[in-house]
Amino acid sequence: SQQGEEDPQALSIQEGENATMNCSYKTSINNLQWYRQNSGRGLVHLILIRSNEREKHSGRLRVTLDTSKKSSSLLITASRAADTASYFCQIREGSNYKLTFGKGTLLTVNP
Amino acid sequence: GAVVSQHPSRVICKSGTSVKIECRSLDFQATTMFWYRQFPKQSLMLMATSNEGSKATYEQGVEKDKFLINHASLTLSTLTVTSAHPEDSSFYICSARGGPGNTEAFFGQGTRLTVV
Repeated sequence: SQQGEEDPQALSIQEGENATMNCSYKTSINNLQWYRQNSGRGLVHLILIRSNEREKHSGRLRVTLDTSKKSSSLLITASRAADTASYFCQIREGSNYKLTFGKGTLLTVNP
Repeated sequence: GAVVSQHPSRVICKSGTSVKIECRSLDFQATTMFWYRQFPKQSLMLMATSNEGSKATYEQGVEKDKFLINHASLTLSTLTVTSAHPEDSSFYICSARGGPGNTEAFFGQGTRLTVV
């Protein structure tokens, strides 16, 4: 079953604004990853955060992980129209290699 | 990053026929490959996990006789949709991971299957 649950399911903002997406899960995880997917295309890996990490940055992306709350957030700062895409979190459960995706957040950045 | 090539990108087939989708890791050895299915505007659902040289592990509800997975080499896995029906129309995506210490999986560009 899918464990990752993103919210919101859809987010529409203006260019230049920040976008925050959240992902919650139920079991213990080894790591959590965020991906983006343009419509009808494959996935692009954005960032990986391990269970012993609390925050990571990559360019305009900031990911946080709160294992006590079993949640992660992805922040995109100074959004651009090109950031329009679906964003998915993916969790790796415990000690096995099973990878499951959340339902995704569709982000629309209006120029 | 590593490159995973998935072929074909689009395929249209008639009901009752079989379709094979290939997933290749071009510049690394993929000890594990994953196959996902994605319906429009929905998330990716893991169908099966395959390790090179062994039988694939299918997720609950996925018919192994309908979705045949072969991972015969460290750079190639194939998914064959047998006796395809219109309800099998979907976007299929593979990903490949190399070695137990490598936690990042790289994704192919996906295959849009339409069964008519």
